[in-house]
Order: sequence, then structure tokens, then C-alpha cells
Amino acid sequence: TQLLEQSPQFLSIQEGENLTVYCNSSSVFSSLQWYRQEPGEGPVLLVTVVTGGEVKKLKRLTFQFGDARKDSSLHITAAQPGDTGLYLCAGAPGGSYIPTFGRGTSLIVHP
Amino acid sequence: DTAVSQTPKYLVTQMGNDKSIKCEQNLGHDTMYWYKQDSKKFLKIMFSYNNKELIINETVPNRFSPKSPDKAHLNLHINSLELGDSAVYFCASSHARDWRYGYTFGSGTRLTVV
Repeated sequence: TQLLEQSPQFLSIQEGENLTVYCNSSSVFSSLQWYRQEPGEGPVLLVTVVTGGEVKKLKRLTFQFGDARKDSSLHITAAQPGDTGLYLCAGAPGGSYIPTFGRGTSLIVHP
Repeated sequence: DTAVSQTPKYLVTQMGNDKSIKCEQNLGHDTMYWYKQDSKKFLKIMFSYNNKELIINETVPNRFSPKSPDKAHLNLHINSLELGDSAVYFCASSHARDWRYGYTFGSGTRLTVV
């Protein structure tokens, strides 16, 4: 059983479309992080959300942490081909300091 | 200057061989990690060192042995390589044990065992 479930697993859209990807768990997390990984590279940290209900914006990307701190979402407005990549969420549940990653959402944005 | 650098980028070797992967970070971080990413892109932590002290040692075969000569370096030695060891290995670093500050990852070492 995966501690962090990400959905959808794959997403293929046209440039200009909006999309939302999800990261869900039955555990409470003190924080969740989102990363983007491009082919042949390591994951790059996009944002960390810490407070339940928190919303953070990074240009066209909007991140939200659930009120109960068990889930998070990433919304991309007007997707561009440069947004193509694997989006990973990560967190350490409860009092653990051992982080775990979700399996990721693979996004392809076609020109 | 690359913040977290790993060498080599690619490694192709035969079963039974012993190989090492090296990692260096110039960010001044005090915690370093090794992650394994399988063919389905799942990232799983293997080891973590804080100031040269091993603090995380997940269920990893003892053929894998990390070594941290100083807080800027973390190497991974693998003995008696097996086909199932083929994966991408990522080194990462963070400010402290509280990794919520965020990881910085290297660009990975793609290991192929034939």
C-alpha cells in the first residue's frame, strides 16, 4: 500500500488547458512537498506546504494543502509545453522523519 | 557550479561486479541521502547521513554500503551487483534532519547491470 497516492498517473493535454493533480493519504503529514522531475534529471523542489488549508502560488501553479493535512493538490493554469514532467509529492507522516514519495503524475503538454 | 553532483552519470556493468557512485554537494548542507528510482519512477529512500552519522538505513541489502568521509560527500558502494539493482540512483542533500526545508537532488546515476 502506497502511503501517498497520486492521481492521475498519466495526463496528456494540449497547451493552454488547465489541470489539477492530486496527492492523497490516510495519514496526517506535518508538511508536503511538490517536486517536478524532467527526463534525465533529478527532482526539483517546487514548494513546501505546512499549514492545513494553506494555498501557495508559483506563477501559473497553485498548491493547496488540505485542512486535515492528509492531502494536497496542484493546479496548473494555461499549461505550457515547459510544464511537461513528472510531478511528485513527498512527505513524512506523523512524527516520522523518514520521507516518502508518491509514485508521481506524468504530465505531457502538447504544443 | 553544480550544487549536488554525482558521478558517473551512466554505469553499465556485469553481474557480480563491485561498483561505486560518488556524490558531492557544495551547498553547505549537513544532511545527505541516497534514493533509488525504479523503472516505474518510484523514489525510495535508502540511506541518510547527518554530519557523517548514519541516521536512516532503510531495508536495503547489505551489499549496499554508504560512506560519508565528510559532510559534503556521500558515496555508495555496491558489492556483487545483481540484475535487480538496475535503477537510477539519486543523491540529495538538505539543510538539516528536518528535510521540510527541501531536498536538492543530483541529476542521477543510471546503473544498468547486464
